[in-house]
Amino acid sequence: EPEVTQTPSHQVTQMGQEVILRCVPISNHLYFYWYRQILGQKVEFLVSFYNNEISEKSEIFDDQFSVERPDGSNFTLKIRSTKLEDSAMYFCASNLQGNNQPQHFGDGTRLSIL
Amino acid sequence: KNEVEQSPQNLTAQEGEFITINCSYSVGISALHWLQQHPGGGIVSLFMLSSGKKKHGRLIATINIQEKHSSLHITASHPRDSAVYICAVPIGGSQGNLIFGKGTKLSVKP
Repeated sequence: EPEVTQTPSHQVTQMGQEVILRCVPISNHLYFYWYRQILGQKVEFLVSFYNNEISEKSEIFDDQFSVERPDGSNFTLKIRSTKLEDSAMYFCASNLQGNNQPQHFGDGTRLSIL
Repeated sequence: KNEVEQSPQNLTAQEGEFITINCSYSVGISALHWLQQHPGGGIVSLFMLSSGKKKHGRLIATINIQEKHSSLHITASHPRDSAVYICAVPIGGSQGNLIFGKGTKLSVKP
């Protein structure tokens, strides 16, 4: 069965550095999402992406964050200048039809900011 | 804004027991998701339902739209069912963005 893949599985970065988290959604999916989960807390929505543009973003997704679909397969989340509070698990998800279908999640990237 | 509440927060059961996890939400929705988060952190979609009941193996999900309540049941629980079970509902609009509950941590003892 096709999967959403995320790389790296664990990223350790110094505070203030830029980080790019990578995702390869399922190939025929059209809607893409990023979520994050701070340790011990619930999963939170960051941003959704459809038709090569951001559809919706949460208050968390400020101007330090950006997303991009640089080619037909990758979907990336960039954090420009990381802060300690960006330490979390970041999940990518995708589906074919937005709110009419379950989402397929990747295994996540654990981001640790030092 | 929709609020999602789950109960219980933690649940310990003996192998073979029948498990019920509850979810309630505050604003009407088109569909509700049940997800499983493995101990390693990965998330798997179990069900998406908008009415009635769905069954997959030993898992059963029900929803009452009028009461804004859903339950996830596990029959004949097994230690491999140990995980965090999360309820999520759409934020709104058509994009499928989700609000998540805090999850129910289930531990099934042999």
